[in-house]
Amino acid sequence: RKEVEQDPGPFNVPEGATVAFNCTYSNSASQSFFWYRQDCRKEPKLLMSVYSSGNEDGRFTAQLNRASQYISLLIRDSKLSDSATYLCVVNGVTGNDYKLSFGAGTTVTVRA
Amino acid sequence: NAGVTQTPKFRILKIGQSMTLQCAQDMNHNYMYWYRQDPGMGLKLIYYSVGAGITDKGEVPNGYNVSRSTTEDFPLRLELAAPSQTSVYFCASSYADISYQETQYFGPGTRLLVL
Repeated sequence: RKEVEQDPGPFNVPEGATVAFNCTYSNSASQSFFWYRQDCRKEPKLLMSVYSSGNEDGRFTAQLNRASQYISLLIRDSKLSDSATYLCVVNGVTGNDYKLSFGAGTTVTVRA
Repeated sequence: NAGVTQTPKFRILKIGQSMTLQCAQDMNHNYMYWYRQDPGMGLKLIYYSVGAGITDKGEVPNGYNVSRSTTEDFPLRLELAAPSQTSVYFCASSYADISYQETQYFGPGTRLLVL
């Protein structure tokens, strides 16, 4: 089983729509959770961290469900500029080392 | 600040050749990382460093070497290039331990093709 699994999509949505997708993780000891955004042929950039209580940043809302071991990202009022691949990133502690596990990404395409 | 810079942007290597991917950051970050990204796969950690003079293996270190002689620079060495090393390589840095919700800053990547 992969450590972090994401629906690859693509999610094709019209401008103004709401789109949401999840990411599941396998390590119950994971402590830190992030969503990164990656544009085509570019580097990943932090979109937002995900906190236990859930958090919002403008049109983006992230939730964490520890019991079911998943995090979610919801994008409201989608813009053309939201078209990107969204990477779910989870930190899990293994022994004395820490490690980030990256999902393969969920592709979102917003159309006019 | 330039952030994290990587050179070259793109390189074609023949099997068995060697090369060094350069990475530098000007944010005075202690932690630096090398990842590879293959199509349809998540980023995989190759090596990381928690400070000058200290490096450690990640998930996929075979075929690579690193050094960290200064805080700013973290080069990745491929000694005997193989087709399986065809990938996009990202260098990243963070101020502190990523287990504390610390942001990683990525360089623009190096695309490597081994033929």
